[in-house]
Amino acid sequence: DGGITQSPKYLFRKEGQNVTLSCEQNLNHDAMYWYRQDPGQGLRLIYYSQIVNDFQKGDIAEGYSVSREKKESFPLTVTSAQKNPTAFYLCASSKGLGADTQYFGPGTRLTVL
Amino acid sequence: SQKIEQNSEALNIQEGKTATLTCNYTNYSPAYLQWYRQDPGRGPVFLLLIRENEKEKRKERLKVTFDTTLKQSLFHITASQPADSATYLCALGPWGSARQLTFGSGTQLTVLP
Repeated sequence: DGGITQSPKYLFRKEGQNVTLSCEQNLNHDAMYWYRQDPGQGLRLIYYSQIVNDFQKGDIAEGYSVSREKKESFPLTVTSAQKNPTAFYLCASSKGLGADTQYFGPGTRLTVL
Repeated sequence: SQKIEQNSEALNIQEGKTATLTCNYTNYSPAYLQWYRQDPGRGPVFLLLIRENEKEKRKERLKVTFDTTLKQSLFHITASQPADSATYLCALGPWGSARQLTFGSGTQLTVLP
C-alpha cells in the first residue's frame, strides 16, 4: 500500500526543546517537501529536497533543519530558534520538481506548551 | 512580490448548484496551476492540473479554467453535494528560478443539503 506517512499525528513540546517530525514515503519519489500551515493561511514551504543528500531552503526555513540521508525519509527538526512553532506541519512528495503532482501525508499538529 | 488570492470568504451553496471558486494571482507567470482539496485536519489531495497553454480542463464534475491574460483560474464543481464540502487550494508554479509550488490560502466551501 503506497503512500506517505507522518508521525506523530499530535506532538507537544516545551519551549526551548528541539523536536523532530518524521516523514516517510514508499512511492519511490525523488522530491520531498515540508510545509507549515497556520489557521486560515495557505501552505508555506519550509524546505524541499530534490535528491538524496541535497535540500534547499523554502520561504520560511529559519528555525528549522532537515536531512535527506535516504530517498524515502525526510525528517524535519523544529529547533528552539523557531519563535512560533505551534502549527500544522505537512510533508509531501512528488516524482520530481516542477509540474508533478504532490502527494501529502496526514500532517503533524505541533503544540508548544 | 508575488501574490495569490482565493475567494476571501467562505462559500456556501445549495446542494445541486454549481460552485465556482476563484484564484487570482499577481506578479506571476506560472507555467501551470494545480487545485487541491483539503479536509479538516488532513493533508491536501490533488484534483486537477492545468498548463498555461490550456484554457480548460475537466474531470467528472470538476472543471478548471486558466486565463493567463486575466491572471485568474476558476474552479467549478457542478451538481454539488454535501460531500464536496472542504477547503480548496490553488497552487502555482514554477515561476522564475523557483521550481516549487506556491499555494493560496484556500476557499472553504460548504454545500448545504
